[in-house]
Amino acid sequence: DAGVIQSPRHEVTEMGQEVTLRCKPISGHNSLFWYRQTMMRGLELLIYFNNNVPIDDSGMPEDRFSAKMPNASFSTLKIQPSEPRDSAVYFCASSLAVWQGAASYGYTFGSGTRLTVV
Amino acid sequence: ELKVEQNPLFLSMQEGKNYTIYCNYSTTSDRLYWYRQDPGKSLESLFVLLSNGAVKQEGRLMASLDTKARLSTLHITAAVHDLSATYFCAVFLVSKLTFGTGTRLQVTL
Repeated sequence: DAGVIQSPRHEVTEMGQEVTLRCKPISGHNSLFWYRQTMMRGLELLIYFNNNVPIDDSGMPEDRFSAKMPNASFSTLKIQPSEPRDSAVYFCASSLAVWQGAASYGYTFGSGTRLTVV
Repeated sequence: ELKVEQNPLFLSMQEGKNYTIYCNYSTTSDRLYWYRQDPGKSLESLFVLLSNGAVKQEGRLMASLDTKARLSTLHITAAVHDLSATYFCAVFLVSKLTFGTGTRLQVTL
């Protein structure tokens, strides 16, 4: 298995531009999570999906952020318009559902997207 | 709101020495995970602790969980340079993982 695949690996954009981050979870995993990592705030959960349905988006910082999961193999995190304070590493992770044994395996993380907004 | 705290935040230790990283959390949970992150890399799962008193060991690392004290420890035995990384604990509650602040470990010769 190729693991959780994120693209792009690096993104540099100008303030005000739209940014779209992409994630392909591990096949068979039906829970997907978006995290943001910064030096100041550490690892923060932004949103997570179960069976393609958003369950908890309380970590999404503001309306400029949106996430979708149109099918079991693809998710996007969009920032529009982007601001310099959005600069961070964004991780996507996937896991089995709890009833499938998620507790025993935890989450598998992608390689992350390093976003720089100038 | 669940709070997960680790200490120390930074640890510089000599090769061959032993040390322990502590992870305290504020709300009862019986599931805790440890991850490792190398600079510029993703998070790698190290241990899954699923019950009170659980102990897992892999090489020079040993993790334990005390759910009553809401405490997990990651013990490093005879550190080697390859263990230099940032270590995170993460508590599973309400279907999601909340991460600790991380402990940056630097092992020196």
